[in-house]
Amino acid sequence: DAKTTQPTSMDCAEGRAANLPCNHSTISGNEYVYWYRQIHSQGPQYIIHGLKNNETNEMASLIITEDRKSSTLILPHATLRDTAVYYCIVRVGRPGGGNKLTFGTGTQLKVEL
Amino acid sequence: GAVVSQHPSWVICKSGTSVKIECRSLDFQATTMFWYRQFPKQSLMLMATSNEGSKATYEQGVEKDKFLINHASLTLSTLTVTSAHPEDSSFYICSASRQPDGEAFFGQGTRLTVV
Repeated sequence: DAKTTQPTSMDCAEGRAANLPCNHSTISGNEYVYWYRQIHSQGPQYIIHGLKNNETNEMASLIITEDRKSSTLILPHATLRDTAVYYCIVRVGRPGGGNKLTFGTGTQLKVEL
Repeated sequence: GAVVSQHPSWVICKSGTSVKIECRSLDFQATTMFWYRQFPKQSLMLMATSNEGSKATYEQGVEKDKFLINHASLTLSTLTVTSAHPEDSSFYICSASRQPDGEAFFGQGTRLTVV
């Protein structure tokens, strides 16, 4: 699976949009971009994933560049409860491959008043 | 979303004893579950893949005789840390998914402290 690069930490004011970047310049054509987050001392939580089109759900939006070498997770109105470590993971979507995920160091997002 | 439950949430045990951690998928069947370990201020590291009805697959460097995995049913996988030592103190997390390529759902984690 392709390696990802994320900033170590970011700060965001409550109510503002949080934009978390991820570089995955070696991504292959059959690899998806997944985002998870981990609130302190809890298990990771799935946020969103995509292949090449932008995606939106009730939690966030995922913007993937046309060359797919980078992506941005957008939390449109960050709240204090969004303070967490956000992981960008690139993996192949293959039948029978299960959901074996390789976690990098992630981005520690701190939402402040 | 799907729910994966771990038990216990935390456990303290004496050095040399064994500890069993359960991972259950509450509203779906999972032929494959995964076990991760996370040390303080570090990321999650995959330990092993738990396969229902067959032997687990361990990642390089993980001792299979120390971390026993049993996946006896489609909704339950157990991780037993045998002869635990203080260096085994960590946050253990399991995950499962409805379909092989679907999103992974994680348990809430088990904090193991070996004294």
